Amino acid sequence: EAEVAQSPRYKITEKSQAVAFWCDPISGHATLYWYRQILGQGPELLVQFQDESVVDDSQLPKDRFSAERLKGVDSTLKIQPAELGDSAMYLCASRPLAGGNTGELFFGEGSRLTVL
Amino acid sequence: LAKTTQPISMDSYEGQEVNITCSHNNIATNDYITWYQQFPSQGPRFIIQGYKTKVTNEVASLFIPADRKSSTLSLPRVSLSDTAVYYCLVGEWDNYGQNFVFGPGTRLSVLP
Repeated sequence: EAEVAQSPRYKITEKSQAVAFWCDPISGHATLYWYRQILGQGPELLVQFQDESVVDDSQLPKDRFSAERLKGVDSTLKIQPAELGDSAMYLCASRPLAGGNTGELFFGEGSRLTVL
Repeated sequence: LAKTTQPISMDSYEGQEVNITCSHNNIATNDYITWYQQFPSQGPRFIIQGYKTKVTNEVASLFIPADRKSSTLSLPRVSLSDTAVYYCLVGEWDNYGQNFVFGPGTRLSVLP
């Protein structure tokens, strides 16, 4: 069964350092999402891509976060500089373009970030 | 945005049927109701989606009354492996924006 791949699975960094997460969605899925999930809370949308274009990044802290999906396939989420409050699970999800009203997102296993 | 309210936590025993109710009083005409399951240290997994009446799949059933202001996820004969967080989402899905939010979900604990 096809899966959304994410790396690294775990990342420990010191505050003020740069960190990057990578996501490879299911082949053919045009829509890609990055979520942040703080322990004990539900996932919070950071950015949504449709192919290589950003559809929604209203919740992305643009002073330190950036996201790209240059060729409309895999994607990178970067944080620079990392802050203590960025410690969370970063989840990537994808959905086919022809999803219509189907609310089925396919999530990766996530990248857990700890900022010291 | 349609706001949802679910119990924060529930306990059950193996073999029992579990019903988790979600309230969404301001659901819009085009909104669908979607449920996800999340195990610790994993991404959420789609369980079921419905618009009205009843939907059933191999994992769960979703009951939606005529006014659609609430919905109930039913898990038949739960096992220990059903211990997870369950999220109720209400919104209109399209490819050009997301008009729903994940709440804190319902933490289900299945006891032996």
